[in-house]
Amino acid sequence: GNSVTQMEGPVTLSEEAFLTINCTYTATGYPSLFWYVQYPGEGLQLLLKATKADDKGSNKGFEATYRKETTSFHLEKGSVQVSDSAVYFCALSGSRYGVQGAQKLVFGQGTRLTINP
Amino acid sequence: DTAVSQTPKYLVTQMGNDKSIKCEQNLGHDTMYWYKQDSKKFLKIMFSYNNKELIINETVPNRFSPKSPDKAHLNLHINSLELGDSAVYFCASSQDRGQLAALFEQYFGPGTRLTVT
Repeated sequence: GNSVTQMEGPVTLSEEAFLTINCTYTATGYPSLFWYVQYPGEGLQLLLKATKADDKGSNKGFEATYRKETTSFHLEKGSVQVSDSAVYFCALSGSRYGVQGAQKLVFGQGTRLTINP
Repeated sequence: DTAVSQTPKYLVTQMGNDKSIKCEQNLGHDTMYWYKQDSKKFLKIMFSYNNKELIINETVPNRFSPKSPDKAHLNLHINSLELGDSAVYFCASSQDRGQLAALFEQYFGPGTRLTVT
């Protein structure tokens, strides 16, 4: 079945440091890939997505490129801020259920990021 | 305006009790989901409904019963609560795009923290 593996956290960085959170996946076919972020006490929000190979998703200074050859979707940011402290989830969506179009998101285990001033 | 709302935000109850969590979305989406997030932040899908029809039903104890009175609401009823049911439960929704469903993100509610004592 489909699966997602993220680098284990927690990750602690200083403000303005470079961030990479690794994500690799196993899937049949051509999944869509997502990064969701969960700020403390809140639900998940979509951060960025990519729907086909070599696509680059970007938002709020974060980027991730869909690499089919390495089955990866690593999250990067050039200069992190304290406000980026959160839990980050890599996810894939590769299945359509029935004719109605429900999608099954498969999540990685999440990576907790803490940015110190 | 809140897009996906859940009530209650916190729920503390004793083993053996029956409880319900309610979810409403005002996005006009056709598909709704329930996820469980355990203490290690691991997220796993439980159920999905599309236009009041059950689409995804993962391996979940039959003590859990989702109910969708209309496409804007998906409630989760849990019978005979157990200690292991303690978790954060997230509701989500997405637009039904048919065969393109996998390309589109899900919108998550703020979560309901269930504590069973």
